[in-house]
Amino acid sequence: ETGVTQTPRHLVMGMTNKKSLKCEQHLGHNAMYWYKQSAKKPLELMFVYNFKEQTENNSVPSRFSPECPNSSHLFLHLHTLQPEDSALYLCASSQVQWQEGNTIYFGEGSWLTVV
Amino acid sequence: TQLLEQSPQFLSIQEGENLTVYCNSSSVFSSLQWYRQEPGEGPVLLVTVVTGGEVKKLKRLTFQFGDARKDSSLHITAAQPGDTGLYLCAGALNTNAGKSTFGDGTTLTVKP
Repeated sequence: ETGVTQTPRHLVMGMTNKKSLKCEQHLGHNAMYWYKQSAKKPLELMFVYNFKEQTENNSVPSRFSPECPNSSHLFLHLHTLQPEDSALYLCASSQVQWQEGNTIYFGEGSWLTVV
Repeated sequence: TQLLEQSPQFLSIQEGENLTVYCNSSSVFSSLQWYRQEPGEGPVLLVTVVTGGEVKKLKRLTFQFGDARKDSSLHITAAQPGDTGLYLCAGALNTNAGKSTFGDGTTLTVKP
């Protein structure tokens, strides 16, 4: 139990579907992140929110839409995805984005399969 | 080019053996983390090192941060099947943890 909870753990969706991934952290952190992990690729940072404000968008296609209603919750809205978007999507949090020695804590991930 | 190079990429050993995995870069990091990830799960933090030359021990695991804060190593003594997993190092440049760079990982298999 890392204090970061992701749902659903597994999701299969068609290319025309709209779905959302949810993340909740119970650590009192103020920064939250979405990462993508594909086979044979290193972790890719997608989005960063610091105190509910988006501070990083790592050139992510618009079919991925993040939402951060408060410091404890983060969503990733998915729309018209492609099969190559199939991957493990990891949510993470840290105390704040800018802090020396800051450490990121990950959720268990949401396995997404686009068919 | 990968900012953090991990080696070896794959390692398969027998239970009871010792091993060392490495994380190297030409960049200086303000902190470096080691994670272990099991299949289908998220990475779990093992340790954060912040001081050059720092050595931290976690049971049979010994982590070292290079003096120049450009590299790190993870040594496991008497490996057990439960140590099997993907070991990831991540370095934070300056003070922006949001831009932590991850290595490709070392996949460790410990056979009983």
